[in-house]
Amino acid sequence: GAVVSQHPSWVICKSGTSVKIECRSLDFQATTMFWYRQFPKQSLMLMATSNEGSKATYEQGVEKDKFLINHASLTLSTLTVTSAHPEDSSFYICSASSQGGGEAFFGQGTRLTVV
Amino acid sequence: GENVEQHPSTLSVQEGDSAVIKCTYSDSASNYFPWYKQELGKGPQLIIDIRSNVGEKKDQRIAVTLNKTAKHFSLHITETQPEDSAVYFCAASFFSGGYNKLIFGAGTRLAVHP
Repeated sequence: GAVVSQHPSWVICKSGTSVKIECRSLDFQATTMFWYRQFPKQSLMLMATSNEGSKATYEQGVEKDKFLINHASLTLSTLTVTSAHPEDSSFYICSASSQGGGEAFFGQGTRLTVV
Repeated sequence: GENVEQHPSTLSVQEGDSAVIKCTYSDSASNYFPWYKQELGKGPQLIIDIRSNVGEKKDQRIAVTLNKTAKHFSLHITETQPEDSAVYFCAASFFSGGYNKLIFGAGTRLAVHP
């Protein structure tokens, strides 16, 4: 089946620093990648959508200058949390889709803790 | 705006019993409805999906039904096992900003007791 690998699985960083999270589709070409944020015991909230080689589209309320997304190739997208603060601590999950019909596969998620 | 409601929020069953989770969606243009299983600390795993041209789909102990007229769909798990314990999310597709996106329900925490 389709495999999406996300790295790192967890990271602890100091306030004010930046953190980069990678999302790779291992066995298919992902034309579209999605980034979600999930707080404890809550659902997944879509942050942004990106196509390879184009700028990401951000959901309302998500700061594009704080959450930088790069979709450099058909198998790699990165999310950089810039100038992280404790309130940015959360579970970040990517998903990748190769079809236009909505089917998407998720990475393992990244637990970000900002201290 | 688009919305997906999911019930119940928690579900507790005995091993071997069936479990049913129900979702309703608001966008009549939605045409893809996946179900995901999420274990603690992990990403969601696609377990079954259904498209709007089909009313029912089954994969071993898991089945999904779709009623487009009523805009609701359900997940059925038969012969539940302790390893089925997890959080289950339904989702519905909607087209926005040039992309086919997924909007998720709030999740159902399923506990299967031996």
